[in-house]
Amino acid sequence: AQTVTQSQPEMSVQEAETVTLSCTYDTSENNYYLFWYKQPPSRQMILVIRQEAYKQQNATENRFSVNFQKAAKSFSLKISDSQLGDTAMYFCAFGPGNAGNMLTFGGGTRLMVKP
Amino acid sequence: DAGVTQSPTHLIKTRGQQVTLRCSPKSGHDTVSWYQQALGQGPQFIFQYYEEEERQRGNFPDRFSGHQFPNYSSELNVNALLLGDSALYLCASSLGLARSRSYEQYFGPGTRLTVT
Repeated sequence: AQTVTQSQPEMSVQEAETVTLSCTYDTSENNYYLFWYKQPPSRQMILVIRQEAYKQQNATENRFSVNFQKAAKSFSLKISDSQLGDTAMYFCAFGPGNAGNMLTFGGGTRLMVKP
Repeated sequence: DAGVTQSPTHLIKTRGQQVTLRCSPKSGHDTVSWYQQALGQGPQFIFQYYEEEERQRGNFPDRFSGHQFPNYSSELNVNALLLGDSALYLCASSLGLARSRSYEQYFGPGTRLTVT
C-alpha cells in the first residue's frame, strides 16, 4: 500500500513571495503519477499540477512548479508570486500506474497568503 | 460545459439510517470515483465505477455500495450509518484507461453528510 505524507500542516506566505510545500511518499512501484490538488473554502478540489514518474523533467504550470526527486520519493510544490487566491488547502496525491484514478492523498497543508 | 455535479449539498441523517448520494460526471467522462473526506483530513478512496461495474475498491466496509448508470452518472449508498460516517463525500470523474492515460480527475463540490 502507498502512503503520502505532508509534514507541514500550516504555512503562510506574503503576497508576491514564493513558498514551497513538501510531500513525501512511499511505494514499491516504479510507474506512477503524482498530483497536487488545491481545495479552497468552496470545497471543490482543483488539479494544480501533475507529474508522471517516468519523466525526469519537473512539471510546471504557470506560477506552479514541482521538484520531483524519485530516488528520495519527494514531490514538493513551489508557488511563485503568491496571490491571495492561492489561499487554500493543498493536497499531494499518488496514483498507481495501472490505476492512476485511484488516488492516495496526504493529510494536506493549509496555505494562507497574507496581503 | 457542465463540470461534475453532486446532490444533495448537505444531508443530515440519524445513526442506523441509509443514505444515497448522487453524482453526474463531467461531459464526456465515463469513469466515476468516490472519496470520503473527514474533517481536517485528506480524501480517502472508496471505489471507482467504469462501464457500470465496480473496478477498484478502497478499504471500506460492505455498508458502502455504489452503482453506475448507462449515462455514466453514479450513486453512493451507505447503509446502517455510523457517527464516523460523517464526512464530505467527493465524486470525481475521468476518462477510462481505454481512452486516456492522463489520469486527470475532475472533482465535484461534494456532499456534506452529518450523522447524529
